[in-house]
Amino acid sequence: DGGITQSPKYLFRKEGQNVTLSCEQNLNHDAMYWYRQDPGQGLRLIYYSQIVNDFQKGDIAEGYSVSREKKESFPLTVTSAQKNPTAFYLCASSIADRAGQPQHFGDGTRLSIL
Amino acid sequence: ILNVEQSPQSLHVQEGDSTNFTCSFPSSNFYALHWYRWETAKSPEALFVMTLNGDEKKKGRISATLNTKEGYSYLYIKGSQPEDSATYLCASPLSGGGADGLTFGKGTHLIIQP
Repeated sequence: DGGITQSPKYLFRKEGQNVTLSCEQNLNHDAMYWYRQDPGQGLRLIYYSQIVNDFQKGDIAEGYSVSREKKESFPLTVTSAQKNPTAFYLCASSIADRAGQPQHFGDGTRLSIL
Repeated sequence: ILNVEQSPQSLHVQEGDSTNFTCSFPSSNFYALHWYRWETAKSPEALFVMTLNGDEKKKGRISATLNTKEGYSYLYIKGSQPEDSATYLCASPLSGGGADGLTFGKGTHLIIQP
């Protein structure tokens, strides 16, 4: 079945540690996105990528990094510079041709600080 | 940053009743309006993407309307069923390019009471 796979489902980070969240899609979509959800907040855009080897910062990119070496993969690294990393992270993808295309989401990764 | 607002924040509805809720967004530089349903323990699922003023879309018992001149969209659910219980999100893209990420509202949490 086509879809988006995020792993792991739960992740724990120690202080000062970088962690990487995986996102893989087999929908052949050009565009991929990372969002963060905090209690009482809407989903907020961290980074997005319209094409391989290119990505842009979203509204809350500080403390995060991404790469897009393959069309299928868009991993997100939460660095030690991110002071409040505890949140639920969602990855999404879409066709990239115009604004009328829906986004398809993974099941998310919940990150907690030890 | 776009400002997308949803109301009410939460809603309790008796099974069989119809209901509706609102999404408001800036009417200037409008590109599209997305609606998603997010059930507990699942990933957000696209319901509608609307692009034209006066658009009305329907999917089973759920329908949506769009007024881009005044900057609002309504989502209607007719004859609510327990499986309609979910958080309903609306979102608007940052640009018309199709791959610039979405700005989400905080959602309307709908609970259908048997």
